[in-house]
Order: sequence, then C-alpha cells, then structure tokens
Amino acid sequence: GQNIDQPTEMTATEGAIVQINCTYQTSGFNGLFWYQQHAGEAPTFLSYNVLDGLEEKGRFSSFLSRSKGYSYLLLKELQMKDSASYLCAGQKYSTLTFGKGTMLLVSP
Amino acid sequence: DSGVTQTPKHLITATGQRVTLRCSPRSGDLSVYWYQQSLDQGLQFLIQYYNGEERAKGNILERFSAQQFPDLHSELNLSSLELGDSALYFCASAGMEWTGRYGYTFGSGTRLTVV
Repeated sequence: GQNIDQPTEMTATEGAIVQINCTYQTSGFNGLFWYQQHAGEAPTFLSYNVLDGLEEKGRFSSFLSRSKGYSYLLLKELQMKDSASYLCAGQKYSTLTFGKGTMLLVSP
Repeated sequence: DSGVTQTPKHLITATGQRVTLRCSPRSGDLSVYWYQQSLDQGLQFLIQYYNGEERAKGNILERFSAQQFPDLHSELNLSSLELGDSALYFCASAGMEWTGRYGYTFGSGTRLTVV
C-alpha cells in the first residue's frame, strides 16, 4: 500500500518554527512533494525531495529519509499567511498520492 | 493565475443528474490529472491523461468518465450523481508524462454540490 500519514492539525505562534511530519510505507514512491493549500483554493507546490537529505528554499525546508519512509516540512519565521493546510504527496511515476493534509494555524 | 483553467467554478445539481467539468491545461503541458477532494478523504486521484491517451487510473467510480481532446483540454463527466459526490474537483497539469521534480500545477477547482 501507499498510505501517507501526517498529523491532522498543528498550532504555532507567529515568528516561531514548526515542523510538520509525514510518514509513508517505504515501497513504491520515488519522490516526495509538499504542497500548501489555503481553504477553498488550489494546492501550490512548495518542495520536492528525491534524494535523502534537506532541501532548503527560503523560509521553507523539506527533509527526506527514504529508508525510514519519513519526511518533514520545516517552516521558519512563521507568518499569519502561513495558516493553511500542508499536503505531503508521494510520487510514483506519473501520479502523486496525497496525504490528508495537516492544518496549521498560526496565531499572533 | 496558475495557467490551468477550470470551468465552472461552482455547480449545484440534483441527485441522479449528470454534469461535465472542463479543464484547460497550462500552455505546453501534455498531462492532465483529475482529483476529487472531500473533507474526510483529502485529495483522491481519479485519472490521468497524457497527450490524449489514458495513462493511469485511480479511485474513479464507474459512474465517472473522462477524456482528453486533441487540443489537450479535458472533461470529467459525472453521472447518476449522489449526495456523496459533493466535493471539490481539481484538474492539474504537468509538462511531461512523468511528474518529474516540478509536480503538478493545479487549477482553482470546481465545487460541486449535489442536493
């Protein structure tokens, strides 16, 4: 199977750092994506990992461990506009399988 | 604007009816994907087309069908609609048959409400 698990909700304070974890069954995926989705809007691409390690892009970083079936998205210097759902997605050839998303609420 | 156009944005229809959702991919993209998003299930992959041909199938019901036309736009047909089909339907496009490192570009979705 290709189940993807991530926490349902997280809360954090403006200016803080938050880590959103994602676990998946190790067989089947050849890449891992993170998307951001504001309520009622389209998901937008944040990051992609195909090799183990950390990919940094501005305030957002993503980490992948293929042997452990584990990824995380790290958001630094949180802003109110970061309140959104964060979707972890496993890539297998031409399709992405999404987790149910983690709703992040950033408070002042 | 992502470049992926979906119409209509909202659709309200009765149970048992049939609707067609339309998607125009980003210029130059050959792959089109359809996803259904409901509150309890998250984003569920339905079907993929590449350059007019079906490439992959996910959890698509037999009541649902899709096609991609020579101009690369795609339509998702939903028939014998049930209350449980109420959801956001997203179309996404990609440049290649494989998603590569850039993933998909999503349209803004069609919100379907079945009453």
